[in-house]
Amino acid sequence: EPEVTQTPSHQVTQMGQEVILRCVPISNHLYFYWYRQILGQKVEFLVSFYNNEISEKSEIFDDQFSVERPDGSNFTLKIRSTKLEDSAMYFCASMRVETQYFGPGTRLLVL
Amino acid sequence: KNEVEQSPQNLTAQEGEFITINCSYSVGISALHWLQQHPGGGIVSLFMLSSGKKKHGRLIATINIQEKHSSLHITASHPRDSAVYICAVGNGGSNYKLTFGKGTLLTVNP
Repeated sequence: EPEVTQTPSHQVTQMGQEVILRCVPISNHLYFYWYRQILGQKVEFLVSFYNNEISEKSEIFDDQFSVERPDGSNFTLKIRSTKLEDSAMYFCASMRVETQYFGPGTRLLVL
Repeated sequence: KNEVEQSPQNLTAQEGEFITINCSYSVGISALHWLQQHPGGGIVSLFMLSSGKKKHGRLIATINIQEKHSSLHITASHPRDSAVYICAVGNGGSNYKLTFGKGTLLTVNP
């Protein structure tokens, strides 16, 4: 069964460093999402992406964040200058007919 | 902005018990999702509902659109059902996105 994959599974970085989280959505899906979950808190929407552009972004998704679909398969989330409060689990999802399929997540720790 | 409330926050049951987790939301939606999150963190989609009832194995999900309420039931619970169960609501159109509840931590003891 097709699935969403994410790399890396874990990343530790120093505050101020740039990180790129990678996702490979399910191949015939057209809508892509990034969500994050700070430890012990609920999952929060970051950004949705359709037709090679951002459809909607949350207030969390400030200028430090960007998304790209550099080729036909990868979907990336870049954090330009990480802060301590960016430490969280980041989930990618792709959607078909309102059912979202989640990747396994990337656990980001900013020190 | 849609508020999604789940109850209870924590639930402990004995193996074999019938489990009910509730979800209510404040604004009309396109669909409601029940998700399962295991201790490792991965999220699995269990159901997507826009009306009525769905059943998959021992899991049953119902939704009442008028009352803005949904329930997830687990029959004959088993320790492997132990996980966080998350209710999330979605609004339609090209900007479809999910708003999540805080989740219910279910522990099923043998």
